[in-house]
This record gives sequence, structure tokens and C-alpha cells, in this order.
Amino acid sequence: GAGVSQSPRYKVAKRGQDVALRCDPISGHVSLFWYQQALGQGPEFLTYFQNEAQLDKSGLPSDRFFAERPEGSVSTLKIQRTQQEDSAVYLCASSLVTSKGFMAYEQYFGPGTRLTVT
Amino acid sequence: GQQVMQIPQYQHVQEGEDFTTYCNSSTTLSNIQWYKQRPGGHPVFLIQLVKSGEVKKQKRLTFQFGEAKKNSSLHITATQTTDVGTYFCAGPKDSNYQLIWGAGTKLIIKP
Repeated sequence: GAGVSQSPRYKVAKRGQDVALRCDPISGHVSLFWYQQALGQGPEFLTYFQNEAQLDKSGLPSDRFFAERPEGSVSTLKIQRTQQEDSAVYLCASSLVTSKGFMAYEQYFGPGTRLTVT
Repeated sequence: GQQVMQIPQYQHVQEGEDFTTYCNSSTTLSNIQWYKQRPGGHPVFLIQLVKSGEVKKQKRLTFQFGEAKKNSSLHITATQTTDVGTYFCAGPKDSNYQLIWGAGTKLIIKP
């Protein structure tokens, strides 16, 4: 595809349910990022993959959040036992490389998944 | 920790007026990126600035990177309705792959 795709676009979950959010990055992009964006705020980093390796998960808010990218392409963000504070837009972004020297390369974002926990 | 601050939070302008958003980092940045997010949309990359004092233009948009590489600005001349959205600056964390984002400036065109 031409861009980053995410599914589902909208998800309503009852408190306590598990959810799985999918990201399909641009073909050939090594780097994949997950962000959480609250209304009126900038994206907050959750986790980063370089190919299949999860190099940084420091932004995951709790151990209920888990991400994987087993074959270095599609990634899934899973949230277990959802809570109301998990309601947000979850953005996935991919980048051709991570950095060249000291430069961070531009990131290409998917449309996001809007998660509402009731 | 490292922070990127962006002001103002909102700016209301009449169509045709100019718009400016300012970005300040708590640390020196190797580069800074600007993104635009339309209402209901996702961030879209606009530009990256690398050099101290760099100025780049894209039609009515002018981007500047400060001499100390700690601040940046985006200026839009003669705003149009298509400019509506939130403008974010983002700078790399020490790790270089992780971006630290400003809170964004929302451009609102007065009816």
C-alpha cells in the first residue's frame, strides 16, 4: 500500500475487555512506532521496533500494554483488561530508518485507532 | 527530563491574517521536525530543519531553526481555510529515534 494502515479505525470496548490494534507500515520501513494521543495533546511515545526487535518499550503505561512485530512488518498493540483511562487515539508510525548520524528521520503516520472504553 | 514546549496553544485568526507558532526545547536539538494534523486526521510530516539558523520556505509557510538549535518557529502568511489544523514541532530525544513532541498550536480561522 501507499501508506500506513491501521485497523480497526474505531473500537468501543467495555471496561475489562482485551483489545488488539493492528498496524501495517509502509513496505520496507525498518522502524515502527506506537503513540497514544489524548484529545488536544501531542502524540506520546509508547514503544519502538526496529524490524522485529522491540528496542524501547519505556512509554507503555502499564503491564497491561503489550506490542509485537514478529516478522518485522505488521505490528499489533494489545491492551488487556482495558480501563477508562486507556481511551485515546492510538497512532502507528513508520520510518525508513531510525537515524543517520544524529538525525531522526521523518515518520509517516497511519490514520489511528480511536479506542473508547465504556 | 527533556521537554519541548510550544506556544500558543490556540490561535484564532481571520482568513488572510498571518499565524505564528513557537517551539522551545529544554536541550539543544540535532534537528527539529514539523507536522500538521488536520481535525480528525493524523500528523503529516511537513519539514525537517538541521542547521543552526536555518530558514526554509514552503509556499506561504516559513520555518526557522534558532542559532542555538533550541528553538524554532513556523510562520504562515495570509492564512487560508486549508491551513486549519494543529501544528506540532518534534525533536529527537538523546536516543535519536524517539521524538519528543510539543503540545501543538491549533490554528482556527474565525468565521
